[in-house]
Amino acid sequence: QQQVKQSPQSLIVQKGGISIINCAYENTAFDYFPWYQQFPGKGPALLIAIRPDVSEKKEGRFTISFNKSAKQFSLHIMDSQPGDSATYFCAARGNTDKLIFGTGTRLQVFP
Amino acid sequence: KAGVTQTPRYLIKTRGQQVTLSCSPISGHRSVSWYQQTPGQGLQFLFEYFSETQRNKGNFPGRFSGRQFSNSRSEMNVSTLELGDSALYLCASSSPLNTEAFFGQGTRLTVV
Repeated sequence: QQQVKQSPQSLIVQKGGISIINCAYENTAFDYFPWYQQFPGKGPALLIAIRPDVSEKKEGRFTISFNKSAKQFSLHIMDSQPGDSATYFCAARGNTDKLIFGTGTRLQVFP
Repeated sequence: KAGVTQTPRYLIKTRGQQVTLSCSPISGHRSVSWYQQTPGQGLQFLFEYFSETQRNKGNFPGRFSGRQFSNSRSEMNVSTLELGDSALYLCASSSPLNTEAFFGQGTRLTVV
């Protein structure tokens, strides 16, 4: 029940395309859902986050869509750029500071 | 504003040795969490400290321990190192008023 399932494991997108990464969770006590971006040799960097009281949050080219009834959330990267090539992790947190991470998606954006 | 600082960046240790990793959180942040990242297991929660008290602990053996000082800096210790402890160890800090967690660059531990 503590798991967060993430798909796909890897994703190849052409420059200008839309990248979509999906996550699903079981624990209804989770109330905070961040996405992290990690480049090789670096720590994860917070990209965007959402709480379950909203269905969508947009920051620049990055959008989180949240479906509370389905217990699913997804990251959309519009107009994907080669500089977006990185590993993306979804995560979930309940009433503690413990983050449960998905398994990661390696995104490659080709020019 | 300085980010989360982890030292050292790289470490090579021999099986059976022990190691101490350090984390300085963002100024004003009182919560520090530690995670282990490996290709096989992904990002796994080790423990979390707040105001010098361990609030949460993950499913790791007792060889993994930590502490937090009054200035919120935290250390993590691994005793009797095993080859499987080779990983990137990440520290994250967050403030009491904000749920956002910010990660350091990590310490790459290699056990040989």
